Amino acid sequence: DAGVIQSPRHEVTEMGQEVTLRCKPISGHDYLFWYRQTMMRGLELLIYFNNNVPIDDSGMPEDRFSAKMPNASFSTLKIQPSEPRDSAVYFCASSRTTSGRATDTQYFGPGTRLTVL
Amino acid sequence: LAKTTQPISMDSYEGQEVNITCSHNNIATNDYITWYQQFPSQGPRFIIQGYKTKVTNEVASLFIPADRKSSTLSLPRVSLSDTAVYYCLVPWGRSGGSYIPTFGRGTSLIVHP
Repeated sequence: DAGVIQSPRHEVTEMGQEVTLRCKPISGHDYLFWYRQTMMRGLELLIYFNNNVPIDDSGMPEDRFSAKMPNASFSTLKIQPSEPRDSAVYFCASSRTTSGRATDTQYFGPGTRLTVL
Repeated sequence: LAKTTQPISMDSYEGQEVNITCSHNNIATNDYITWYQQFPSQGPRFIIQGYKTKVTNEVASLFIPADRKSSTLSLPRVSLSDTAVYYCLVPWGRSGGSYIPTFGRGTSLIVHP
């Protein structure tokens, strides 16, 4: 398996622009997570899905952030409009849960490094 | 009240045993505590997980006391390639009774020759 795939790997944009980050989870995994990593706040859970349904989005910082999972093999995280404080590394992770627990082993993608100027 | 607490950094030497403790409160009683390793410019990678007592695999051991208010990752004989950031991941409870996977702030381990 290719693992979790994220694109783009790097994104540089200007304040006010729309940014879309993409994730392809590992085939057969039923949980998908979006995290943001910064020096100040560490690894923060933004939102997670189970069987394509958003379960908890309390970590989404503002209405400018939205996430979708239209099918089991694809998810997007969109920021509109982007701001300099959104600069961070965004990780997608997936897991296959047999116990119904969201803390089963997560497999992370390589991340997208976002810079908003 | 902090969700989790880990030392910010640790130093060790090749061949030594390293123990990293994560303190946590208000976590689910029936969910995993997990540890991850992260190298620069990579995503976190699973190391080990458990519910309670002691778990051992080919790379590490995990000790969880009965009250589950902490967990300790033990790396038996570290090498230079173990230099990385180590995170605990716990099922942290928020108001309303739900639990979400929550990472600690990470411990930067530097292994010296």
